[in-house]
Amino acid sequence: EAQVTQNPRYLITVTGKKLTVTCSQNMNHEYMSWYRQDPGLGLRQIYYSMNVEVTDKGDVPEGYKVSRKEKRNFPLILESPSPNQTSLYFCASKLAGVYNEQFFGPGTRLTVL
Amino acid sequence: DQQVKQNSPSLSVQEGRISILNCDYTNSMFDYFLWYKKYPAEGPTFLISISSIKDKNEDGRFTVFLNKSAKHLSLHIVPSQPGDSAVYFCAAPNQGGKLIFGQGTELSVKP
Repeated sequence: EAQVTQNPRYLITVTGKKLTVTCSQNMNHEYMSWYRQDPGLGLRQIYYSMNVEVTDKGDVPEGYKVSRKEKRNFPLILESPSPNQTSLYFCASKLAGVYNEQFFGPGTRLTVL
Repeated sequence: DQQVKQNSPSLSVQEGRISILNCDYTNSMFDYFLWYKKYPAEGPTFLISISSIKDKNEDGRFTVFLNKSAKHLSLHIVPSQPGDSAVYFCAAPNQGGKLIFGQGTELSVKP
């Protein structure tokens, strides 16, 4: 089944404890992206990757890191999480090209205490 | 700068009636628009799209209308069903291909 998977789905952590949210897609998509969803703000892009070893900042990159060593994986790293990073996170992927549909993962609910 | 705006955070409709969800945009360079639907505990899924060369696109119970002069689009659901209850996001890709999302509208369809 074609899909985007994220792990973990739920995570409660404490300020300053490094964490990684994994994202994997099995559709051979070039483009991958991370979003956060907050009430009243919609989906805001954190980082994106046009292909392997090519990443760039989105609208809200502060406090996050990403890497794209393989085409299928795009982990999101929070080196020192803070409470303002409490949010719902979505990974997405699509084929290269402006008009291609984006496929989203199921989301990761992160709470930073 | 919110280039895609959904000014209604929520909408409540009776089953069988029409649901109309609205979206406004400010960037006149946008030439393609998408609607995504999101259920709780799931990621958004693509629903319907429209190119700026059209003013209407229909898919079953879902129709999207585009008014380029007003920079406005709307999603019509007829007839509305309880299973349509979800958050709906309007989005447009910018020239670099990045999807710009609106804030979302939560639709509740009551039996």
